[in-house]
Amino acid sequence: QQKVQQSPESLIVPEGGMASLNCTSSDRNVDYFWWYRQHSGKSPKMLMSIFSNGEKEEGRFTVHLNKASLHTSLHIRDSQPSDSALYLCAASRQGGRALIFGTGTTVSVSP
Amino acid sequence: NSKVIQTPRYLVKGQGQKAKMRCIPEKGHPVVFWYQQNKNNEFKFLINFQNQEVLQQIDMTEKRFSAECPSNSPCSLEIQSSEAGDSALYLCASSLSQANTEVFFGKGTRLTVV
Repeated sequence: QQKVQQSPESLIVPEGGMASLNCTSSDRNVDYFWWYRQHSGKSPKMLMSIFSNGEKEEGRFTVHLNKASLHTSLHIRDSQPSDSALYLCAASRQGGRALIFGTGTTVSVSP
Repeated sequence: NSKVIQTPRYLVKGQGQKAKMRCIPEKGHPVVFWYQQNKNNEFKFLINFQNQEVLQQIDMTEKRFSAECPSNSPCSLEIQSSEAGDSALYLCASSLSQANTEVFFGKGTRLTVV
């Protein structure tokens, strides 16, 4: 049973547009969420992490977290072709031993 | 560039053969993870270590895989008898601590079982 669900599975965004990705955990014990980006043929690299309710912004990327619903979202504004990648959401918890990943959202930015 | 070094990048094995891959974690990182990423992008946690000690592993790993992280040597993951369903990207990652810290991934070993 997948404990981290991501939606949509794939997304096509025009260059300069906004991409919005969603992630929900079914494990009520998680307290940290991570967003990783994996370009084709490359290893995943962390984009952002969040553990407090609210919003966190870094450049063109904004992450929201609602701890009550265990829902996080990633928003990419002014999307660039280089943002085309697989975006993975992961959750972790104190006392847990490993990140639990979702199956990702594939983002394609069309020029 | 990734500081977690995995070798080989590609591995082709016949069914029933052993398949072994190695990982050098980032310097100073005592925690090492192995994940399997299949063609559907599903990440399956396999096993993790803190220094040389196994912290957690799934049933499949316990039964069919052999893994270790000896001191002063690369970590390794070995499938004792490869099956077609083992074809996947095997990602090694390391971090400073067990939970709630960033993990850094290597480039992976892509295993194809023919």
